[in-house]
Amino acid sequence: EVQLVESGGGLVQPGRSLRLSCAASGFTFDDYAMHWVRQAPGKGLEWVSGISWNSGSIGYADSVKGRFTISRDNAKNSLYLQMNSLRAEDTALYYCAKDEYAMVRGVRIDYWGQGTLVTVSS
Amino acid sequence: QSALTQPASVSGSPGQSITISCTGTSSDVGSYNLVSWYQQHPGKAPKLMIYEGSKRPSGVSNRFSGSKSGNTASLTISGLQAEDEADYYCCSYAGSSSYVFGTGTKVTVL
Repeated sequence: EVQLVESGGGLVQPGRSLRLSCAASGFTFDDYAMHWVRQAPGKGLEWVSGISWNSGSIGYADSVKGRFTISRDNAKNSLYLQMNSLRAEDTALYYCAKDEYAMVRGVRIDYWGQGTLVTVSS
Repeated sequence: QSALTQPASVSGSPGQSITISCTGTSSDVGSYNLVSWYQQHPGKAPKLMIYEGSKRPSGVSNRFSGSKSGNTASLTISGLQAEDEADYYCCSYAGSSSYVFGTGTKVTVL
């Protein structure tokens, strides 16, 4: 059974940093691209970042480019999101999600975690 | 990377068919046949319903179908059922290893 378990969320002040983690199990982690998708309270889905199976291709939404960094450790079956210079508008539930393809292109996100809540407030 | 445009809400009676549109640009929807659709019930994670424009994952009802014309993709739900009441989001490849979601549509079964 595929499982994606996010951690690292919490309350953080504007301008500070936070690192999210996602522990994956139940599939061959290094065969697939992975993503972070967020959802602000009461709002829609927003794709944040994606990383290919071997970290060779990485993409970011314009809203986080230059502030967030996605990475993965295939030996640890883990996905990460380093978030710097956080803003109030980054407040959201952050989902870790698995793609059915190895590259960030197919737009076939087939499994999602339950999310970790990030609140940016003073 | 502007969000794809979807109607805020669509409604229909049980048994009817409804269609949700998803309008992008020549840089995303119009350039690739790489559009997927997700269903999200309140408090739940999204579920993949359609990928590559018109393909259904295993286990998804054939009442759900997808299509594309130009810069607009569409999701049709036929034989509407109470369990279909949810939020629906489209998502497209936007080039340079990036995706973009739609604004979301709330489907109400009357």
